[in-house]
Amino acid sequence: DAKTTQPPSMDCAEGRAANLPCNHSTISGNEYVYWYRQIHSQGPQYIIHGLKNNETNEMASLIITEDRKSSTLILPHATLRDTAVYYCIVRVTGTASKLTFGTGTRLQVTL
Amino acid sequence: EAEVAQSPRYKITEKSQAVAFWCDPISGHATLYWYRQILGQGPELLVQFQDESVVDDSQLPKDRFSAERLKGVDSTLKIQPAELGDSAMYLCASSPQDRETQYFGPGTRLLVL
Repeated sequence: DAKTTQPPSMDCAEGRAANLPCNHSTISGNEYVYWYRQIHSQGPQYIIHGLKNNETNEMASLIITEDRKSSTLILPHATLRDTAVYYCIVRVTGTASKLTFGTGTRLQVTL
Repeated sequence: EAEVAQSPRYKITEKSQAVAFWCDPISGHATLYWYRQILGQGPELLVQFQDESVVDDSQLPKDRFSAERLKGVDSTLKIQPAELGDSAMYLCASSPQDRETQYFGPGTRLLVL
Protein backbone atom coordinates (compact mmCIF):
# COMPACT_ATOMS: atom_id res chain seq x y z
CA ASP A 1 0.00 0.00 0.00
CA ALA A 2 1.18 3.49 -0.73
CA LYS A 3 1.54 5.45 2.50
CA THR A 4 -0.29 8.74 2.99
CA THR A 5 0.68 11.72 5.12
CA GLN A 6 -1.88 14.21 6.43
CA PRO A 7 -1.66 17.05 8.94
CA PRO A 8 -3.10 15.94 12.29
CA SER A 9 -5.47 18.87 12.60
CA MET A 10 -6.84 21.94 10.82
CA ASP A 11 -9.27 24.72 11.59
CA CYS A 12 -11.67 26.41 9.18
CA ALA A 13 -14.20 29.21 9.62
CA GLU A 14 -17.78 28.37 8.75
CA GLY A 15 -18.66 29.40 5.21
CA ARG A 16 -15.07 29.36 4.03
CA ALA A 17 -13.46 26.69 1.86
CA ALA A 18 -11.65 23.91 3.71
CA ASN A 19 -8.61 22.60 1.85
CA LEU A 20 -7.29 19.33 3.25
CA PRO A 21 -3.91 18.18 1.87
CA CYS A 22 -2.59 14.65 1.51
CA ASN A 23 0.82 13.42 0.39
CA HIS A 24 1.12 10.00 -1.28
CA SER A 25 4.51 10.13 -2.95
CA THR A 26 4.81 6.35 -3.44
CA ILE A 27 1.46 5.90 -5.17
CA SER A 28 1.39 3.42 -8.05
CA GLY A 29 -0.15 4.11 -11.44
CA ASN A 30 -3.20 1.93 -10.83
CA GLU A 31 -3.96 3.08 -7.29
CA TYR A 32 -6.88 5.40 -6.60
CA VAL A 33 -7.02 8.12 -3.97
CA TYR A 34 -10.07 7.83 -1.72
CA TRP A 35 -11.37 10.25 0.88
CA TYR A 36 -13.61 9.30 3.78
CA ARG A 37 -14.67 11.24 6.83
CA GLN A 38 -15.79 10.13 10.26
CA ILE A 39 -17.99 12.27 12.40
CA HIS A 40 -17.68 11.54 16.10
CA SER A 41 -19.04 8.10 17.07
CA GLN A 42 -20.30 7.33 13.56
CA GLY A 43 -19.05 5.03 10.81
CA PRO A 44 -16.78 6.45 8.09
CA GLN A 45 -18.61 8.20 5.26
CA TYR A 46 -17.41 7.97 1.68
CA ILE A 47 -16.72 11.39 0.14
CA ILE A 48 -14.99 11.06 -3.20
CA HIS A 49 -12.26 9.22 -5.09
CA GLY A 50 -10.09 9.72 -8.16
CA LEU A 51 -7.26 8.27 -10.22
CA LYS A 52 -5.59 11.16 -12.02
CA ASN A 53 -8.23 13.65 -13.07
CA ASN A 54 -9.85 16.16 -10.77
CA GLU A 55 -13.24 15.06 -9.50
CA THR A 56 -16.25 16.90 -8.10
CA ASN A 57 -19.49 15.72 -6.53
CA GLU A 58 -22.16 17.24 -4.33
CA MET A 59 -19.98 16.96 -1.24
CA ALA A 60 -16.51 18.00 -2.32
CA SER A 61 -13.85 18.42 -4.99
CA LEU A 62 -10.68 16.36 -5.30
CA ILE A 63 -7.62 17.91 -6.89
CA ILE A 64 -4.79 15.49 -7.76
CA THR A 65 -1.43 16.87 -8.84
CA GLU A 66 -0.13 15.92 -12.27
CA ASP A 67 2.59 13.69 -10.80
CA ARG A 68 -0.08 12.14 -8.50
CA LYS A 69 2.18 12.50 -5.47
CA SER A 70 -0.30 14.64 -3.58
CA SER A 71 -3.93 15.64 -3.54
CA THR A 72 -6.27 18.15 -1.89
CA LEU A 73 -9.83 17.64 -0.76
CA ILE A 74 -11.86 20.84 -0.98
CA LEU A 75 -15.07 21.47 0.93
CA PRO A 76 -16.22 24.66 -0.81
CA HIS A 77 -18.39 26.13 1.99
CA ALA A 78 -17.63 24.41 5.27
CA THR A 79 -20.37 24.15 7.90
CA LEU A 80 -20.27 23.09 11.53
CA ARG A 81 -21.54 19.66 10.43
CA ASP A 82 -18.33 19.15 8.45
CA THR A 83 -16.35 18.90 11.69
CA ALA A 84 -14.89 15.39 11.50
CA VAL A 85 -11.75 13.32 10.98
CA TYR A 86 -10.90 13.17 7.27
CA TYR A 87 -8.99 10.16 5.95
CA CYS A 88 -7.00 10.11 2.72
CA ILE A 89 -6.51 6.51 1.56
CA VAL A 90 -4.66 5.00 -1.36
CA ARG A 91 -6.58 1.98 -2.49
CA VAL A 92 -4.86 -1.34 -3.03
CA THR A 93 -6.16 -2.98 -6.18
CA GLY A 94 -5.30 -6.57 -5.55
CA THR A 95 -7.21 -9.68 -4.67
CA ALA A 96 -8.14 -8.22 -1.29
CA SER A 97 -9.04 -4.59 -1.50
CA LYS A 98 -9.02 -3.46 2.10
CA LEU A 99 -8.89 0.21 3.00
CA THR A 100 -5.82 1.07 5.05
CA PHE A 101 -6.70 4.01 7.26
CA GLY A 102 -4.08 6.29 8.82
CA THR A 103 -4.83 8.71 11.63
CA GLY A 104 -6.37 11.33 9.32
CA THR A 105 -6.86 15.08 9.74
CA ARG A 106 -9.17 16.36 12.41
CA LEU A 107 -11.02 19.31 10.86
CA GLN A 108 -12.64 21.73 13.26
CA VAL A 109 -15.10 24.15 11.69
CA THR A 110 -15.73 27.19 13.86
CA LEU A 111 -18.20 30.09 13.87
CA GLU B 1 -30.74 5.92 0.24
CA ALA B 2 -29.75 2.34 1.12
CA GLU B 3 -27.55 1.91 4.16
CA VAL B 4 -25.57 -0.76 5.94
CA ALA B 5 -27.37 -1.85 9.12
CA GLN B 6 -25.61 -3.01 12.26
CA SER B 7 -26.84 -4.18 15.64
CA PRO B 8 -26.54 -3.71 18.47
CA ARG B 9 -25.24 -0.14 18.44
CA TYR B 10 -23.75 -0.53 21.91
CA LYS B 11 -22.72 -3.60 23.90
CA ILE B 12 -21.29 -3.87 27.39
CA THR B 13 -20.02 -7.26 28.49
CA GLU B 14 -17.75 -8.78 31.07
CA LYS B 15 -14.45 -10.32 30.24
CA SER B 16 -14.67 -14.02 29.26
CA GLN B 17 -18.24 -13.66 28.00
CA ALA B 18 -19.28 -14.25 24.40
CA VAL B 19 -20.52 -11.41 22.21
CA ALA B 20 -21.93 -11.28 18.70
CA PHE B 21 -22.45 -8.47 16.23
CA TRP B 22 -24.75 -8.50 13.22
CA CYS B 23 -24.46 -6.70 9.89
CA ASP B 24 -26.88 -6.39 6.99
CA PRO B 25 -25.13 -4.93 3.94
CA ILE B 26 -26.68 -2.78 1.24
CA SER B 27 -28.93 -4.98 -0.90
CA GLY B 28 -27.06 -6.57 -3.77
CA HIS B 29 -23.59 -5.91 -2.39
CA ALA B 30 -21.47 -9.00 -2.84
CA THR B 31 -18.48 -7.89 -0.77
CA LEU B 32 -18.69 -7.43 2.99
CA TYR B 33 -15.99 -6.23 5.38
CA TRP B 34 -15.60 -6.17 9.16
CA TYR B 35 -13.24 -3.55 10.58
CA ARG B 36 -12.18 -2.80 14.16
CA GLN B 37 -11.44 0.72 15.32
CA ILE B 38 -9.64 1.32 18.60
CA LEU B 39 -10.21 4.75 20.13
CA GLY B 40 -7.96 7.36 18.54
CA GLN B 41 -6.94 5.17 15.61
CA GLY B 42 -8.25 4.48 12.11
CA PRO B 43 -10.27 1.35 11.33
CA GLU B 44 -8.37 -1.88 10.60
CA LEU B 45 -9.70 -4.74 8.50
CA LEU B 46 -10.53 -7.96 10.36
CA VAL B 47 -12.18 -10.01 7.61
CA GLN B 48 -13.46 -9.65 4.05
CA PHE B 49 -16.15 -11.79 2.41
CA GLN B 50 -16.93 -12.20 -1.26
CA ASP B 51 -20.46 -13.62 -1.25
CA GLU B 52 -20.26 -16.38 1.39
CA SER B 53 -16.52 -16.98 1.06
CA VAL B 54 -13.76 -15.49 3.17
CA VAL B 55 -11.28 -13.59 0.97
CA ASP B 56 -9.01 -12.15 3.65
CA ASP B 57 -8.95 -13.01 7.35
CA SER B 58 -5.25 -12.51 7.91
CA GLN B 59 -5.83 -9.96 10.70
CA LEU B 60 -8.63 -11.85 12.45
CA PRO B 61 -7.53 -13.27 15.86
CA LYS B 62 -8.85 -16.72 15.09
CA ASP B 63 -8.37 -18.11 18.57
CA ARG B 64 -11.27 -15.99 19.80
CA PHE B 65 -12.91 -14.32 16.79
CA SER B 66 -15.10 -15.93 14.16
CA ALA B 67 -17.12 -14.53 11.29
CA GLU B 68 -19.67 -16.03 8.98
CA ARG B 69 -21.84 -15.04 6.07
CA LEU B 70 -23.71 -18.26 5.46
CA LYS B 71 -26.09 -17.19 2.69
CA GLY B 72 -23.92 -14.47 1.26
CA VAL B 73 -26.13 -11.71 2.59
CA ASP B 74 -25.98 -10.73 6.28
CA SER B 75 -23.03 -11.53 8.50
CA THR B 76 -22.21 -12.21 12.15
CA LEU B 77 -18.95 -11.49 13.95
CA LYS B 78 -18.43 -13.34 17.22
CA ILE B 79 -15.90 -12.98 20.03
CA GLN B 80 -15.51 -15.77 22.57
CA PRO B 81 -14.18 -15.17 25.14
CA ALA B 82 -14.07 -11.37 25.15
CA GLU B 83 -10.97 -9.70 26.60
CA LEU B 84 -10.46 -6.19 27.93
CA GLY B 85 -8.43 -5.28 24.85
CA ASP B 86 -11.39 -6.04 22.58
CA SER B 87 -13.08 -2.81 23.64
CA ALA B 88 -13.45 -0.93 20.37
CA MET B 89 -15.87 0.09 17.61
CA TYR B 90 -16.70 -2.75 15.22
CA LEU B 91 -17.60 -1.49 11.78
CA CYS B 92 -19.21 -3.32 8.89
CA ALA B 93 -18.88 -2.12 5.31
CA SER B 94 -20.11 -3.40 1.96
CA SER B 95 -19.39 -2.80 -1.71
CA PRO B 96 -21.10 -3.97 -4.88
CA GLN B 97 -18.05 -6.04 -5.82
CA ASP B 98 -14.45 -6.28 -4.71
CA ARG B 99 -12.36 -3.17 -5.41
CA GLU B 100 -15.39 -0.88 -5.56
CA THR B 101 -16.34 1.89 -3.13
CA GLN B 102 -17.05 0.68 0.40
CA TYR B 103 -19.99 2.02 2.40
CA PHE B 104 -19.91 1.76 6.18
CA GLY B 105 -22.57 1.12 8.77
CA PRO B 106 -22.91 3.05 12.03
CA GLY B 107 -20.81 0.55 13.98
CA THR B 108 -21.17 -1.36 17.24
CA ARG B 109 -19.33 0.09 20.20
CA LEU B 110 -18.13 -2.69 22.52
CA LEU B 111 -17.00 -2.16 26.09
CA VAL B 112 -15.49 -5.13 27.91
CA LEU B 113 -15.36 -4.80 31.70
